[in-house]
Amino acid sequence: EVQLVESGGGLVQPGGSLRLTCAASGFSFSTYSMTWVRQAAGRGLEWVANIKQDGSETFYVDSLKGRFTISRDNAKNSLYLQMYSLRVEDTAIYYCARNFYLGMVFDHWGQGALVTVSS
Amino acid sequence: DIQMTQSPSSLSASVGDRVTITCRASQTISSNLNWYQQKPGKAPKLLIYIASYLQSGVPSRFSGSGSGTDFTLTISSLQPEDFATYYCQQSYTTPITFGRGTRLEIK
Repeated sequence: EVQLVESGGGLVQPGGSLRLTCAASGFSFSTYSMTWVRQAAGRGLEWVANIKQDGSETFYVDSLKGRFTISRDNAKNSLYLQMYSLRVEDTAIYYCARNFYLGMVFDHWGQGALVTVSS
Repeated sequence: DIQMTQSPSSLSASVGDRVTITCRASQTISSNLNWYQQKPGKAPKLLIYIASYLQSGVPSRFSGSGSGTDFTLTISSLQPEDFATYYCQQSYTTPITFGRGTRLEIK
């Protein structure tokens, strides 16, 4: 069974940093591209970033470039999102998702990690 | 960026009704359109990919159609468990973008 479990969320002050981890199991992690999507309370879904299977390519929504970094460790079956200079508007649930083999289609999602940016 | 416009933003319907949700892209995306269902407090779930392909395990009452810029998600006979929010998403190019969602409520 495919499982994606996010961790590392919490309360952080504006300007602070946080690293989210997504632990993957039940599939061959190194053969799938992976993605982060976020959702502010009561709002829609926002694609954040994607990383290719071997980590050689990454893609970001323009508004977050330079503040967020996606990475992965295939030996540990883990996906990461390093977030810097956090703002109140970054408050959201952050989901990791597996990319279907056809590309940017997200066939499995984690339960989400809540990040709250507040003073 | 490609803008995805869903309509309606909310919809009230009854069990057994046939429901259609539409999604329009601001430019052509071929068939690179996917539909997700999200229930409160849960992660989204993939229903339909590449416009019309039913994800494994999804009931056949769900169907998708369209290409280019105009797409539809149809639920042929609403079941109680279908009341949720539905999102379309283009997978044609980055940045990947989602529609703002259609909230399907019980009448």
